[in-house]
Amino acid sequence: GQNIDQPTEMTATEGAIVQINCTYQTSGFNGLFWYQQHAGEAPTFLSYNVLDGLEEKGRFSSFLSRSKGYSYLLLKELQMKDSASYLCAVMDSNYQLIWGAGTKLIIKP
Amino acid sequence: IAGITQAPTSQILAAGRRMTLRCTQDMRHNAMYWYRQDLGLGLRLIHYSNTAGTTGKGEVPDGYSVSRANTDDFPLTLASAVPSQTSVYFCASSDSSSGTDEQFFGPGTRLTVL
Repeated sequence: GQNIDQPTEMTATEGAIVQINCTYQTSGFNGLFWYQQHAGEAPTFLSYNVLDGLEEKGRFSSFLSRSKGYSYLLLKELQMKDSASYLCAVMDSNYQLIWGAGTKLIIKP
Repeated sequence: IAGITQAPTSQILAAGRRMTLRCTQDMRHNAMYWYRQDLGLGLRLIHYSNTAGTTGKGEVPDGYSVSRANTDDFPLTLASAVPSQTSVYFCASSDSSSGTDEQFFGPGTRLTVL
């Protein structure tokens, strides 16, 4: 079966750095996505990786290793507004997104 | 309209009733999707449409139907609601020619079936 694993919850301090990991097992691979979802709101797109390596976008970076079935989202200079759930999703061979359950990130002052 | 809209925002429904959730996008995206999101689970795909006039089944299609008569609208119908269909429903769209296939989500419909 297809499976996306990510930690259920993480806590970090304002101003610090946090890394959210995602491992996946899917039938085929056509890219990995990270989305941010604030409580009670819709998911919004953060990043897309299809090749191995690091993609940097401001305070957020996303890394992919296809051979290891592994990705992480790195958030730097954490702000209180970064408190949200972070969803990892993989596009499979049918070009459908398979979603992880999300990691709830709690930022403490 | 800017982006994707969904209606209603929330609804309480008696079991056995028929319900249609509406979704409209103004981005001229060819692909549209319906997901449900339940606590502790990832988003699960119910139905999708790659282009107007075509639809396909996702991971959890039973009890739901969709239609795609035009590019903008993608309604989801529950023919006879059951309590297990209590969930938050998100509609999304994407432009498959964009390269990344980033999906844009509507604000969601919170549905409670009693």
